[in-house]
Amino acid sequence: DTGVSQNPRHKITKRGQNVTFRCDPISEHNRLYWYRQTLGQGPEFLTYFQNEAQLEKSRLLSDRFSAERPKGSFSTLEIQRTEQGDSAMYLCASSQGAGNTIYFGEGSWLTVV
Amino acid sequence: QQPVQSPQAVILREGEDAVINCSSSKALYSVHWYRQKHGEAPVFLMILLKGGEQKGHEKISASFNEKKQQSSLYLTASQLSYSGTYFCGTDPVDDKIIFGKGTRLHILP
Repeated sequence: DTGVSQNPRHKITKRGQNVTFRCDPISEHNRLYWYRQTLGQGPEFLTYFQNEAQLEKSRLLSDRFSAERPKGSFSTLEIQRTEQGDSAMYLCASSQGAGNTIYFGEGSWLTVV
Repeated sequence: QQPVQSPQAVILREGEDAVINCSSSKALYSVHWYRQKHGEAPVFLMILLKGGEQKGHEKISASFNEKKQQSSLYLTASQLSYSGTYFCGTDPVDDKIIFGKGTRLHILP
């Protein structure tokens, strides 16, 4: 049983460029979550899916952020026109249904220069 | 909506005990505890569902007081490997988990 897989693990990009992160959840998990974490803070909720449906998106999330899970399996998180404030670790997690343990991937580090 | 954790940081000597608290302003369906080491992803420790249950995992246990909307994590006879940041995550409606700001635990030899 493989865990949650994220790539790329590290990304350095220039301000204004677009970046995309991919997450492959644990195979039997129907829920997939995206969180963002900055130094010294807890994971901040961004959005989550149940199968292919995006059930909620954080009100704090800029319109530059978009996430998809087209076939209810892997998911992508795209950030358009990156800003320095987007620098963070982007964490993907998955779970089998609601109210169950969520398992995190190793994260994707984004540095915007 | 974000749960409040206390203390913010703890320094212990190996073998000492620690308690980390987590409180929410909302009624909770479940509480989740994770430990994160520097530069790594959070690792699951335990989940507690409403009902006031207590769970244990070797020398780490937790309680959940549904009425008070509080949970506590107990670390007994701490080991060097326990160092890291502990996060509680709360789920008020069987939905998504919202995490606190974390409690940094440093164990000295």
